[in-house]
Amino acid sequence: QKEVEQNSGPLSVPEGAIASLNCTYSDRVSQSFFWYRQYSGKSPELIMSIYSNGDKEDGRFTAQLNKASQYVSLLIRDSQPSDSATYLCAVKTGAAGNKLTFGGGTRVLVKP
Amino acid sequence: DGGITQSPKYLFRKEGQNVTLSCEQNLNHDAMYWYRQDPGQGLRLIYYSQIVNDFQKGDIAEGYSVSREKKESFPLTVTSAQKNPTAFYLCASRRGGQGSETQYFGPGTRLLVL
Repeated sequence: QKEVEQNSGPLSVPEGAIASLNCTYSDRVSQSFFWYRQYSGKSPELIMSIYSNGDKEDGRFTAQLNKASQYVSLLIRDSQPSDSATYLCAVKTGAAGNKLTFGGGTRVLVKP
Repeated sequence: DGGITQSPKYLFRKEGQNVTLSCEQNLNHDAMYWYRQDPGQGLRLIYYSQIVNDFQKGDIAEGYSVSREKKESFPLTVTSAQKNPTAFYLCASRRGGQGSETQYFGPGTRLLVL
């Protein structure tokens, strides 16, 4: 069983709609969660980090964390064609080294 | 400009050859990481270093080696023992200390085998 799982997609959404991405993780003691966006051929860039249960909003992005159910999600409101990318979920695992375990990523396509 | 630089952008390796990928940061970050990404896959940790002169193996360290002689630099050598080295290699750094868990990535090096 993979430690961090994401649906690979592609998730196709019309422009202006909400894109909803999910990520589940297996390590119950994980405390820190990150969403990165990666454009094709480029390196990942941080969108959001979340550490507490509930919602965290930043502009058009909302991260949601539910530690009891071991999932973290990302909502993209008013999706734009420029949001077309792969979104990587990362979970801090282990007490030492601040290692991140990444999911395989969800590819999002926003259609005009 | 502050940031993380990786060079070269593209690297070609011949059979049996060792190659070294450069990663430099001027962010004064304590920790540095090397990841490998295969097409359509997530990132896998190769090696990481939390302080100078110390580093630990990640999940896929076989066939790779690193050094951390300076805080700013964390080069990765892909040895001839790595039989399938074609991938996108990403270096990351993190500030260190409590509450500083975010890793920031360099632009990456794409390694191809001739």
